[in-house]
Amino acid sequence: DQQVKQNSPSLSVQEGRISILNCDYTNSMFDYFLWYKKYPAEGPTFLISISSIKDKNEDGRFTVFLNKSAKHLSLHIVPSQPGDSAVYFCAAHSGGGADGLTFGKGTHLIIQP
Amino acid sequence: KAGVTQTPRYLIKTRGQQVTLSCSPISGHRSVSWYQQTPGQGLQFLFEYFSETQRNKGNFPGRFSGRQFSNSRSEMNVSTLELGDSALYLCASSLELAGALTGELFFGEGSRLTVL
Repeated sequence: DQQVKQNSPSLSVQEGRISILNCDYTNSMFDYFLWYKKYPAEGPTFLISISSIKDKNEDGRFTVFLNKSAKHLSLHIVPSQPGDSAVYFCAAHSGGGADGLTFGKGTHLIIQP
Repeated sequence: KAGVTQTPRYLIKTRGQQVTLSCSPISGHRSVSWYQQTPGQGLQFLFEYFSETQRNKGNFPGRFSGRQFSNSRSEMNVSTLELGDSALYLCASSLELAGALTGELFFGEGSRLTVL
């Protein structure tokens, strides 16, 4: 039972445009959400996070939006750059992370020149 | 500051064998978590150690075990290997219990295990 779902295995976006990566979750106990980015042959690196008490968090070109009623979050990258091509994982935890982080299966973002 | 170091990076085993993977966390980090990454399942939580004690455990069979030493270095062991254990095993460290507060984890590059 996937508690964190990333329904798009891959996404292709033109350089300079906006990339929107989506993530849905089913566990209403999740209270913290994170995005990680992974290049081939490297471990995931933390990108941005958001607490359930907020609906938006911004860091440079990256913005994460949280819609708790829809149990949906999205990551916006504006403008998209070639170096953004990677696999993006959505992750969530609850209650201080007693069960570790629950990850989605990832979305492979491809930025086309 | 050195990152999370995992050894070995690649290894090949046959069914029935056992394997031990090693992880050295970032200096000062006391929490070490292990994750399994497969194409079909994504990243799945195995277990977390904090101050030499297993604090949390994911939904994996008892063949998967681990431990943490007093210097925070951690090892994970998989016994009686099965073909389905072929995966990238990722270790992550953090200052506090993973998921506490920000939940930010620092990952190593992983150990790629192939079971034949």
